[in-house]
Formats: sequence, C-alpha cells, structure tokens
Amino acid sequence: AQSVTQLDSHVSVSEGTPVLLRCNYSSSYSPSLFWYVQHPNKGLQLLLKYTSAATLVKGINGFEAEFKKSETSFHLTKPSAHMSDAAEYFCVVSVPPGNYGGSQGNLIFGKGTKLSVKP
Amino acid sequence: DSGVTQTPKHLITATGQRVTLRCSPRSGDLSVYWYQQSLDQGLQFLIQYYNGEERAKGNILERFSAQQFPDLHSELNLSSLELGDSALYFCASSVADSNAYEQYFGPGTRLTVT
Repeated sequence: AQSVTQLDSHVSVSEGTPVLLRCNYSSSYSPSLFWYVQHPNKGLQLLLKYTSAATLVKGINGFEAEFKKSETSFHLTKPSAHMSDAAEYFCVVSVPPGNYGGSQGNLIFGKGTKLSVKP
Repeated sequence: DSGVTQTPKHLITATGQRVTLRCSPRSGDLSVYWYQQSLDQGLQFLIQYYNGEERAKGNILERFSAQQFPDLHSELNLSSLELGDSALYFCASSVADSNAYEQYFGPGTRLTVT
C-alpha cells in the first residue's frame, strides 16, 4: 500500500532563510512523488514531480526536492523563503493505474504542512 | 490559471438535498479526477474517469456518483446530503491515464450543508 507522512503540520521561517518541509513515503511500487502547493482560497498547483529520473528534482519558484530511496524520503527545500511562499504544501504519492483497492486512490495526499513566513 | 474550470464556486444547501458539481477539464485532457478536501479527512481521492469510463474509485460514498460526458466534462452528484459532506470539492484533469502525468487542479467548489 502507498502512503505519505508529512512530519510537520506547521513550519515557520523568516523571510530570506531556508525552507525544509519533510515527507516520508511508503510504496510497494517504484513511486511517483509530487509536491503540490495550495495558497489560501485557491486550487492546488504542482511544484515538482519525481518519476524515477534524476533524484534531485527542481521545481517552480526555486523549490527542489531530493528522492532518497534508502530513507524513503522526499523532502522539499528552498534556499531562501519569500513572503509569497506562505501556503499549505502537500506531499503526494501516485498509485499506478490498476493497483488500487479499498480506500486507495490515484493520488494519495499527505496531511499537509502549513508554511508561515515572517518578515 | 490551470485551465480546469469548476462550477459553481460556492454552494449552500440543506441536509437531505441533492447537488451537482460540474468540471470542465483542460483542452485535450482525457482523464478527470474528483477529490474532497475537508478539515478532518484532508484531501481524499473520490473517483477517476478516463475518456468517459470509470477508471478508479477511492473513498466515494454510495450517495455520491459521477459521470464523464462525450465532450469530456464531468459531473459529481451528491445526494441525501449530510452536514459532514461540507467540504471543498476539487476536480483535476490530466492528459492520460498514468500516474506519471501531472494532474491540473481546478479552483474547487465549496459546498456548505446546513
């Protein structure tokens, strides 16, 4: 079965300092992993995705994530936070089509990490 | 703007009623997904359609149903509504039926059941 665990429900950083949002995954298959961002009262936007190519994935707005199979982690980082980065971030694992059952779905979302950025 | 449209943006209705949420995928996308976001359950996958056929089912209640029409738009029907059905309902679309493809999300429909 596939699952994701976001280790922090809330992260607060100062503007200009690094961001680290942690995610661990569990997957019976070689996973596809994503990070999505949701700004207040908005839909979800894809930040980046890992689909078994390079383990260091670069996304939009200066974010990147590193796939570490030995640690089953896919942490999201950014060198320098900006006020506009304040949002909720979701780590997501994708279920291969045809391999679903019970409560599993096509995208499985973590609980989310709310990022606050202080001036 | 993702290119996925959802109507209505907001919906307020009473318990026991039935509502229909509508989604138009991005041009060229064949796959449509429905998700529910609530405070207690988080974001959960409900159901997926690909080119008019149901492909995958998640945590969708029997009171809920969906369909995808020949023009590829999709509707999610929620009936016998309960207070606990109040949530944000997202539709997403992707080019194909593969987990490697990005899903583009619409802005959501906020349903309030009173």
